[in-house]
Amino acid sequence: RKEVEQDPGPFNVPEGATVAFNCTYSNSASQSFFWYRQDCRKEPKLLMSVYSSGNEDGRFTAQLNRASQYISLLIRDSKLSDSATYLCVVINEDGNKLVFGAGTILRVKS
Amino acid sequence: GAGVSQSPSNKVTEKGKDVELRCDPISGHTALYWYRQSLGQGLEFLIYFQGNSAPDKSGLPSDRFSAERTGGSVSTLTIQRTQQEDSAVYLCASSLMGGGTDTQYFGPGTRLTVL
Repeated sequence: RKEVEQDPGPFNVPEGATVAFNCTYSNSASQSFFWYRQDCRKEPKLLMSVYSSGNEDGRFTAQLNRASQYISLLIRDSKLSDSATYLCVVINEDGNKLVFGAGTILRVKS
Repeated sequence: GAGVSQSPSNKVTEKGKDVELRCDPISGHTALYWYRQSLGQGLEFLIYFQGNSAPDKSGLPSDRFSAERTGGSVSTLTIQRTQQEDSAVYLCASSLMGGGTDTQYFGPGTRLTVL
């Protein structure tokens, strides 16, 4: 079983749609959680950290459920520019190694 | 300020040759990381440096892979006797202090193709 598993995608949605991505992680000792965004042939960039209390940044909302070892990302009012691969990322218990999911491709179409 | 830079951006080599990939972290960042991303795969951790020492080399796929960091800054990833399965994008990241809450900033990567 992979340490971090994500919805396989791709998700093809119209502009303005709300879309949600899910992610599960296997190491209960993982200490930090993130969503990264990766555009085609570009490096990953941090989108947002994920906290147990849930956090929101504009149209993006991230949730963490430690008991279920589950992370989610919700994107409201999708824009064409949201098209990218979204990577669920977990930091292992020693706090150094980022463990990446394989990514979920989002395509927003007009 | 300048971000993480990597060179070369692209490298094509023949099977069996050695290659060196370079990473310049953000100035002042003490932690440096190497990852690789193969076609259609997620990112895979290779090695982590805190200063010049590498407390975690667990991700290096074989003894053909080695890395060093000098002066707490530039790092070099060396692959000896390259194989076709080494073809991937090699990404370097740095963070200010290391640790679980410290954001890692990625460089643009080196795309390695082994013929």
